[in-house]
Amino acid sequence: DQQVKQNSPSLSVQEGRISILNCDYTNSMFDYFLWYKKYPAEGPTFLISISSIKDKNEDGRFTVFLNKSAKHLSLHIVPSQPGDSAVYFCAASAHGAGGTSYGKLTFGQGTILTVHP
Amino acid sequence: GAVVSQHPSWVICKSGTSVKIECRSLDFQATTMFWYRQFPKQSLMLMATSNEGSKATYEQGVEKDKFLINHASLTLSTLTVTSAHPEDSSFYICSAVLAGAGTQYFGPGTRLTVL
Repeated sequence: DQQVKQNSPSLSVQEGRISILNCDYTNSMFDYFLWYKKYPAEGPTFLISISSIKDKNEDGRFTVFLNKSAKHLSLHIVPSQPGDSAVYFCAASAHGAGGTSYGKLTFGQGTILTVHP
Repeated sequence: GAVVSQHPSWVICKSGTSVKIECRSLDFQATTMFWYRQFPKQSLMLMATSNEGSKATYEQGVEKDKFLINHASLTLSTLTVTSAHPEDSSFYICSAVLAGAGTQYFGPGTRLTVL
């Protein structure tokens, strides 16, 4: 049972344009969401996160949007750069009311982003 | 800050031997560390939660007697793959939780190849 799904295995974008990576989840208990960037044979690098009490979080070129009713989140990268080319994983965790955000993470399958010069 | 290291970065061993992988939080203390496994072209799958001073909590389907976890201190957790077999060949990644920050920081991973 895949509780976190990234339905697009790959995405190709021109440098300077916007990259939009999507993620859907099924577990309504998830209340904290994260995006990680990963290169082959390396560990994931944290990019940005969002709590379920928000619908948007922005950090530089990266913005994460959360639509709780649709159980959908997306990562926007603007403008995209060739160095952004990597595998992007979304992850979710459930901590309950008042819990801190260090629970177990459930990862999506990942989306390979390629940014062309 | 928030650097997590793993050692070794890669290891090749014969079937039947045991392999120990270390995970260290270099500049912060972590009461909780996680161990993941990633097979080629697949997602990261959580294997177990390592808690300092107590027994690890294993995910369903993960053999606790095969994958021994010891969280010896607030900066070190070890994963020992006992009696390794070729099907245990994978990329093992640990993460550590920075208290108060609400984020898991990942190590660089360890590539295990069992011949």
